[in-house]
Amino acid sequence: AQTVTQSQPEMSVQEAETVTLSCTYDTSESDYYLFWYKQPPSRQMILVIRQEAYKQQNATENRFSVNFQKAAKSFSLKISDSQLGDAAMYFCAYRSAPNSGYALNFGKGTSLLVTP
Amino acid sequence: NAGVTQTPKFRVLKTGQSMTLLCAQDMNHEYMYWYRQDPGMGLRLIHYSVGEGTTAKGEVPDGYNVSRLKKQNFLLGLESAAPSQTSVYFCAGAAIGGTEAFFGQGTRLTVV
Repeated sequence: AQTVTQSQPEMSVQEAETVTLSCTYDTSESDYYLFWYKQPPSRQMILVIRQEAYKQQNATENRFSVNFQKAAKSFSLKISDSQLGDAAMYFCAYRSAPNSGYALNFGKGTSLLVTP
Repeated sequence: NAGVTQTPKFRVLKTGQSMTLLCAQDMNHEYMYWYRQDPGMGLRLIHYSVGEGTTAKGEVPDGYNVSRLKKQNFLLGLESAAPSQTSVYFCAGAAIGGTEAFFGQGTRLTVV
C-alpha cells in the first residue's frame, strides 16, 4: 500500500497570513490522484483540492493551492489569507490503484489552529 | 439528495456485544468503503466493495465483517465488540471513473 506522510502534527497561523502544510507519499505508479481533505470539529470530511499526477500544473481552488513535486513525491497545501473557519484537521490522501478499489490512503493529519 | 448516510451517529456497546453499522447512498456509487479514524492515526481502510455482491479486506479488517447485498447499502458488522474498536467510523462512496470520494457524517462508537 502507498504510504502518505504528514510530518506536522500541528500548525498555527495568524488570521490573514499564509500557511503551508506538508505531505509526502511513496508510490511506484505513474498516474494517480492526490487530495487534501478538511475535517472541522463537525467531523465531516470535506474535499479541499485534488491533483492529477499527469497534470504538471498545480491545482488551485480560491485561497487553496498545492505545490505538487512529482519527482520528489511531495504534495503541499498552501492556504492564503487564512480565516478562522480554516481551523480544522487537514488530511493528505493518495488514491490507490484499481486493484485496491481506488481506496484512499490517508496521512495522519495536521491540526491547523488559526489565531485572531 | 441525501448523499451518503450513516446509521447510527453514536453508539455505546458493552464488550462482547454485536452491532451493525449501516451506510446508505443514493448517488449510484459503484465503490464503497469503511474507514476507522483514531487519534493520531488518520483514517484507515477496514473493508471496501467494488460493486454489489463484492467485498474485500483493507488495512485493518480484523474483528469486522461487511456485506453489500444491495448496491446502495454497505453494512459493517462487529460480531464481538472489543474496547480496541472504540473509534469513529466513516463510510464513503465513489463512482466508476470518478475522482472524488463522498463521505458520510461518521459514527462514534464507544466500547466499554
